[in-house]
Amino acid sequence: SQQGEEDPQALSIQEGENATMNCSYKTSINNLQWYRQNSGRGLVHLILIRSNEREKHSGRLRVTLDTSKKSSSLLITASRAADTASYFCATAMDTGRRALTFGSGTRLQVQP
Amino acid sequence: EAGVTQSPTHLIKTRGQQATLRCSPISGHTSVYWYQQALGLGLQFLLWYDEGEERNRGNFPPRFSGRQFPNYSSELNVNALELEDSALYLCASRGGSRNTEAFFGQGTRLTVV
Repeated sequence: SQQGEEDPQALSIQEGENATMNCSYKTSINNLQWYRQNSGRGLVHLILIRSNEREKHSGRLRVTLDTSKKSSSLLITASRAADTASYFCATAMDTGRRALTFGSGTRLQVQP
Repeated sequence: EAGVTQSPTHLIKTRGQQATLRCSPISGHTSVYWYQQALGLGLQFLLWYDEGEERNRGNFPPRFSGRQFPNYSSELNVNALELEDSALYLCASRGGSRNTEAFFGQGTRLTVV
């Protein structure tokens, strides 16, 4: 099963609104990363948050991490039609040599 | 600096044939990851190569295999293709530390008919 699971699976909002996506994971992590994918293309890294960090900002993006709940959220403020994409969280596990494990993604549709 | 490159962009094969997909990582990256993404779904981890060796393998049958060359480029081979192997195959490269992001190629769209 997937290490990370995003919620909701799909989200449709109007331009200008905020979009919030959540990610839950199962095991201890070293860091959690968010990626974006435009319609069947490669993924682009958005932001990385370490396990000892609680919040991180990058432009219109805000990521929070709650290691006690094993969850993270990605907030996109003042969304734009160009933000329409799928968003994935990925976890790097705390121990051992493991690949980045991706969730199933949230499909965001921003209506102009 | 060149990003991760994958070839071919598209590949159409017949059931039972073999497919070979190629990936060149970002210069200096020793780790290469392969993921399968079926239409509309998430990324399923296939294989991880680092320093020329297979480090980890996802829950896929043995007909999915690969290798990493001395220049850190990588090949993914899929034997005895099945219709359900049709998917976007993504390659990513990463530096040595766990605290680094992965850089993805644009993928190879494999269609099995």
